[in-house]
Amino acid sequence: KNEVEQSPQNLTAQEGEFITINCSYSVGISALHWLQQHPGGGIVSLFMLSSGKKKHGRLIATINIQEKHSSLHITASHPRDSAVYICAQGGSQGNLIFGKGTKLSVKP
Amino acid sequence: KAGVTQTPRYLIKTRGQQVTLSCSPISGHRSVSWYQQTPGQGLQFLFEYFSETQRNKGNFPGRFSGRQFSNSRSEMNVSTLELGDSALYLCASSTAGLAGGRSYNEQFFGPGTRLTVL
Repeated sequence: KNEVEQSPQNLTAQEGEFITINCSYSVGISALHWLQQHPGGGIVSLFMLSSGKKKHGRLIATINIQEKHSSLHITASHPRDSAVYICAQGGSQGNLIFGKGTKLSVKP
Repeated sequence: KAGVTQTPRYLIKTRGQQVTLSCSPISGHRSVSWYQQTPGQGLQFLFEYFSETQRNKGNFPGRFSGRQFSNSRSEMNVSTLELGDSALYLCASSTAGLAGGRSYNEQFFGPGTRLTVL
């Protein structure tokens, strides 16, 4: 059974802190997705990766295929980073299997 | 390029009614996937369409159905609504296609339709 687990479930940080969100999955994947969901529901795709590391601005995503683990890092966090971050495993038919999400709140 | 659009954005129905939601993908995207998001279960996959064919279906009852038209626009229908169907319904489009049976396609999400069943 495909399972995607995220930790922590909730995270509160002060502005400027370095943040890490973790994601573990149970079976081999085609791609691991990191998504951001703001209040109101809209979802934005941040990263899609199948190996190594990707960086976009202050966001970094890494994946370790052998350990079936991925991390999302946010450097110099800002209140506008407050959102729910969701990792998702790409299924073999183009569907996504989602983690429960990590609710991040960055205080000024 | 316009993003993924969903209509309506908000909907209120009563138990036993049926509802149809619409999704227009990004131009050129042939795959449309549908997801249900609830506070208790999180995001769950409903089904995916590619070139008017349903390729995969999640673990939902037959009351949930969908279709895709030749212009890639997709609709999903829920019949005999139940209170538990209250949720945010999201669609996502991608260029799709399968590379050796494994999907590497980024998905672009619409804003969602928030359905409330009373």
